[in-house]
Amino acid sequence: EAQVTQNPRYLITVTGKKLTVTCSQNMNHEYMSWYRQDPGLGLRQIYYSMNVEVTDKGDVPEGYKVSRKEKRNFPLILESPSPNQTSLYFCASSPLRRGNTGELFFGEGSRLTVL
Amino acid sequence: AQRVTQPEKLLSVFKGAPVELKCNYSYSGSPELFWYVQYSRQRLQLLLRHISRESIKGFTADLNKGETSFHLKKPFAQEEDSAMYYCALARFGNEKLTFGTGTRLTIIP
Repeated sequence: EAQVTQNPRYLITVTGKKLTVTCSQNMNHEYMSWYRQDPGLGLRQIYYSMNVEVTDKGDVPEGYKVSRKEKRNFPLILESPSPNQTSLYFCASSPLRRGNTGELFFGEGSRLTVL
Repeated sequence: AQRVTQPEKLLSVFKGAPVELKCNYSYSGSPELFWYVQYSRQRLQLLLRHISRESIKGFTADLNKGETSFHLKKPFAQEEDSAMYYCALARFGNEKLTFGTGTRLTIIP
């Protein structure tokens, strides 16, 4: 089944303990992106990647890192999590082809709580 | 900078009544507008895009460049329309989507 898979789906951690949220897609999509969803703020883009080894900051990149060593994987790294990073995180992917701009395929979300 | 505004956080409509979810945007170039929907316990998914001019699940949305709006409409609401709806904007030819803050639609039986 074509999909975007995130892990873990739920995580409670403590301030300062490094964590990684993995994202994998099996659709051979070039574009991948991370969003966080917060009440009243909607979805805000953290980082995105146009292809392998090509990443760029979104609107709220502070406190996050990403890497794109393989086309299918786009992990989100929180080096030193803080409580203001408590949120629901979504990974999304999209093929970069003519006529398909804007159709993102989303993962199920990862709910992160930082104490 | 591009910006999307959804003025209603919550919207309740009786079953069978018309639905209109408002979306306004600000962008100086040629935008592409989309509506995404998230049903309970499901992934966020694309509902429709202005470029397709299609009707999905009875919903339509017309891009009004003069009013910079892209309101989502349905003539007769159904219970299964209850969901969170996000309006989103992309620059033409660019994958980066800017989302609005979302509107939670509840259909009252």
